[in-house]
Amino acid sequence: QVQLVESGGGVVQPGGSLRLSCAASGFSFSDFDIHWVRQAPGKGLEWVAFIRYDGSNKFYADSVKGRFPISRDNSKNTVYLQMNSLRGEDSAVYYCVQFGKALDVWGKGTTVIVSS
Amino acid sequence: AIQLTQSPSSLSASIGDRVTITCRASQGISRAFAWYQQKPGRAPKLLIYDASSLDGGVPSRFSGSGSGTHFTLTISGLQPEDFATYYCQQVHTYPQTFGGGTKVEIK
Repeated sequence: QVQLVESGGGVVQPGGSLRLSCAASGFSFSDFDIHWVRQAPGKGLEWVAFIRYDGSNKFYADSVKGRFPISRDNSKNTVYLQMNSLRGEDSAVYYCVQFGKALDVWGKGTTVIVSS
Repeated sequence: AIQLTQSPSSLSASIGDRVTITCRASQGISRAFAWYQQKPGRAPKLLIYDASSLDGGVPSRFSGSGSGTHFTLTISGLQPEDFATYYCQQVHTYPQTFGGGTKVEIK
């Protein structure tokens, strides 16, 4: 079945870096745009980043622009979110999401905690 | 960025009630709009896309309407499994944005 599995979350100090991965299966990965969405503890959803199916176009939320480059490797069915210069307000569950009609298929999420 | 103002932020309702949640966009977005349901500890689930199209497997008691700047989600006959938080989203312009959410609780 269609599945997205995030990994790479953890605890990191302010100013540090993490790389999140999103491994896809069960669908033709190279045909679909992928988004990252995050949710801070007890808060609402925040859209983070987008990458076009062929990697040709990328967009970012203002809050992460210049710090969180998104990339993909269609040969590995994987999307990456490189998170640099992390701040406390980046602490959240990060979801990888397939975009079809809208944000159709969500992963279970990976948790990032930025704390000293 | 396009701002989405979702209301109410929470509501209490009984089984069988009709519930309406609204979302206003800060500028026109045609019908490039979606609604999601999220239960505690779970990832969100797509309910409605293109403002009024029901995603596969979503019960027909859910309906969406609107275009431009005003959108609504209606649940006709609230069921126990519908108690959750609902989010609106515009997919018209990057950065995409979400509303603040509406928590639907049992009265």
